[in-house]
Amino acid sequence: AQSVTQPDIHITVSEGASLELRCNYSYGATPYLFWYVQSPGQGLQLLLKYFSGDTLVQGIKGFEAEFKRSQSSFNLRKPSVHWSDAAEYFCAVGHTGGFKTIFGAGTRLFVKA
Amino acid sequence: KAGVTQTPRYLIKTRGQQVTLSCSPISGHRSVSWYQQTPGQGLQFLFEYFSETQRNKGNFPGRFSGRQFSNSRSEMNVSTLELGDSALYLCASSRSGGSNTGELFFGEGSRLTVL
Repeated sequence: AQSVTQPDIHITVSEGASLELRCNYSYGATPYLFWYVQSPGQGLQLLLKYFSGDTLVQGIKGFEAEFKRSQSSFNLRKPSVHWSDAAEYFCAVGHTGGFKTIFGAGTRLFVKA
Repeated sequence: KAGVTQTPRYLIKTRGQQVTLSCSPISGHRSVSWYQQTPGQGLQFLFEYFSETQRNKGNFPGRFSGRQFSNSRSEMNVSTLELGDSALYLCASSRSGGSNTGELFFGEGSRLTVL
């Protein structure tokens, strides 16, 4: 069965510091991988996605993620965090068809001045 | 292009009552998925509809049901409400079918409080 693990429940980084959020997945075929962000009281917004091809994908708001098949990982990175990046981040695995996309438990990011 | 619209945004019910939540997907999107979000359980998949057919279902009791109409709008219903049903219910639409990408577009959710 497919599953997603986000080992860090919450992370605190200083504004301007770099960020890496971890994600590991379990999937029987080539996965479609996603990172979503959720601000308080809001729905989820797609940051980036990986389907195939280049394993380093660029997303919105300066985020990027790298797919590593050998490690079953899809970690999210940002070189310099802004206070507005404080939110909850969800890694997800799905497949074509859009049905039953599975989400990780989420990582809440706190940004300190 | 209008986004995914969920109504109502907030509602309060008492145990034993039932509730119906509505979701209007993005125009042209034929797939609608529903998720329950709680602090303890995170995002849990409820079900997904495509062309009025339920294609997949999560591990929820039969009190949770849904349907999709010919215009792709969807409703979910929870009967005999329990305190543990208090949650944010999120709807997401997708360009499913054919060369679908699997990307989900979420509404802002319906926050249900059961007293």
